[in-house]
Amino acid sequence: AQTVTQSQPEMSVQEAETVTLSCTYDTSENNYYLFWYKQPPSRQMILVIRQEAYKQQNATENRFSVNFQKAAKSFSLKISDSQLGDTAMYFCAFMREGGSQGNLIFGKGTKLSVKP
Amino acid sequence: DSGVTQTPKHLITATGQRVTLRCSPRSGDLSVYWYQQSLDQGLQFLIQYYNGEERAKGNILERFSAQQFPDLHSELNLSSLELGDSALYFCASRGGGGTLYTGELFFGEGSRLTVL
Repeated sequence: AQTVTQSQPEMSVQEAETVTLSCTYDTSENNYYLFWYKQPPSRQMILVIRQEAYKQQNATENRFSVNFQKAAKSFSLKISDSQLGDTAMYFCAFMREGGSQGNLIFGKGTKLSVKP
Repeated sequence: DSGVTQTPKHLITATGQRVTLRCSPRSGDLSVYWYQQSLDQGLQFLIQYYNGEERAKGNILERFSAQQFPDLHSELNLSSLELGDSALYFCASRGGGGTLYTGELFFGEGSRLTVL
């Protein structure tokens, strides 16, 4: 069974600084997807970034980028130029590639606070 | 706006009662997932439907059931409710394949259930 571990329950960062959230996962699959979801106080689950395991290049979305280390089964999220609106719970998630079947497995989350 | 619609947004009921949560997936999405988010259990996968058929089952209690209808909307039925069933219930959908398939789940805003 796949598992996702986020070892940092809470983190804080000053506005405009950079912060990195850690995530490790365990799987015997070779093809899969990894995601970071953001859950602000509104409780909506918002996709931040996606990485396909077969791609060696790390995904980037504006101020958000990942460091994907497949051999180490590590998938960290870097937030640059942190903004107050980045304050939220961040969930790392894994989904194996399986056509019509496959559910998202979440880590426990990291609560990020951006301080002015 | 993810395109996934959930109703009701909030629901307060008493122990022993039965409730139905409704989800309309994004247009064209064939897969519907249900997740439960509680403070102590995090985000737990309950069940997945694909084009009307059950495809995967997670930690769903026997008191809970779900179905997906021909128009692809889904309902999650929770019966004999207990205090511990109080949680945020998310529905999510995913594309069925082809060029629209990108792996990630798109989440609704959730239905917050409070059992008193």
